[in-house]
Amino acid sequence: NAGVTQTPKFQVLKTGQSMTLQCAQDMNHEYMSWYRQDPGMGLRLIHYSVGAGITDQGEVPNGYNVSRSTTEDFPLRLLSAAPSQTSVYFCASSPTGSLTNEQFFGPGTRLTVL
Amino acid sequence: AQSVTQPDIHITVSEGASLELRCNYSYGATPYLFWYVQSPGQGLQLLLKYFSGDTLVQGIKGFEAEFKRSQSSFNLRKPSVHWSDAAEYFCAVGERNTDKLIFGTGTRLQVFP
Repeated sequence: NAGVTQTPKFQVLKTGQSMTLQCAQDMNHEYMSWYRQDPGMGLRLIHYSVGAGITDQGEVPNGYNVSRSTTEDFPLRLLSAAPSQTSVYFCASSPTGSLTNEQFFGPGTRLTVL
Repeated sequence: AQSVTQPDIHITVSEGASLELRCNYSYGATPYLFWYVQSPGQGLQLLLKYFSGDTLVQGIKGFEAEFKRSQSSFNLRKPSVHWSDAAEYFCAVGERNTDKLIFGTGTRLQVFP
């Protein structure tokens, strides 16, 4: 049981490049989400999904796209990277979107945009 | 707007000493309350949570937290800190009607032998 996995662990991009951060979970959780963590700030929700085929925006969605074609995977796409997207990105999953369910976090992806 | 304040950015304690990390929140009703720990290079792990009932909650790794409605606080405590407790600790508030989770800015704990 791997839990929540994220790839890559580190990535350096140039401004304007695109990339996809991968997230997968093997717990059959319906709810998955993406957060970014910046120095001096708490985690902020980017996008979330309550099930396959359903996604919605969080607090800071601009510059990011998501899709949820399967229950297991929830990739985060940066179409044109900007220095402001330099951050640590965490994927999380839980059985449902209710906060009464524990959220399980992946180990994170550290992204630097030059 | 709902908010979470962790007034201590960085705390240093000696191994074996007691620990209290502060968390204050702003919310119109009784929220869900959480404490998470993030070890270096790792994702967040849930330490404990409060939904209702007994205001003193026990968590993993010997941690506890007390919900004080009158002070809008949910401080995390541990009677004797171990070197392995060095990490960053995040308090979070959950809105009951929207399931929105709001994180504090975190407190970095350093433990000296």
